Amino acid sequence: DQQVKQNSPSLSVQEGRISILNCDYTNSMFDYFLWYKKYPAEGPTFLISISSIKDKNEDGRFTVFLNKSAKHLSLHIVPSQPGDSAVYFCAASGNRDDKIIFGKGTRLHILP
Amino acid sequence: KAGVTQTPRYLIKTRGQQVTLSCSPISGHRSVSWYQQTPGQGLQFLFEYFSETQRNKGNFPGRFSGRQFSNSRSEMNVSTLELGDSALYLCASSVPQLTSGTDTQYFGPGTRLTVL
Repeated sequence: DQQVKQNSPSLSVQEGRISILNCDYTNSMFDYFLWYKKYPAEGPTFLISISSIKDKNEDGRFTVFLNKSAKHLSLHIVPSQPGDSAVYFCAASGNRDDKIIFGKGTRLHILP
Repeated sequence: KAGVTQTPRYLIKTRGQQVTLSCSPISGHRSVSWYQQTPGQGLQFLFEYFSETQRNKGNFPGRFSGRQFSNSRSEMNVSTLELGDSALYLCASSVPQLTSGTDTQYFGPGTRLTVL
């Protein structure tokens, strides 16, 4: 049973436009949500996180939105740049001592 | 500060063999987690060690085991290898993030294991 779902395996966006990556979760006990970015032949790198007490967190070009009632979060990248082409993983955790559950990832292609 | 290092980077084994992978966390990080990444399943959690104790465990068979040493270095062992164990094995060390209330994980480059 997949607790964190990224239903779009891939997404293509024009350079300069907004990229929106979506993630759904099933476990209502999740309290922390994270996004990671992964380039080929490298480990994932942390991008941004959000606690369940917030509905938005922003860091530069990256904004994460959380809709707890819908058990849905999204990552917005504005404006999209060529270096943003990577696989993006959504992840969730119940608390600090709980394991982090990852989605299967979405491959983002930024088109020139 | 050096990042998370994993050795070896690439490994080829045959079915039935066993393998040991090593992970050195970032200095000062006491938590180490292991993940298996495959094309179809994404990142799947194997286990987490904190201060030499297994704190969390994923849904993998007992052939997968791990340990952590007093210097926080961790090893993962897979016995009786199967073809399906071919994957990228990622190690991550983590540090608490005071602002978000959760840990931020820093991943190593992974060990690519191929089972023939």
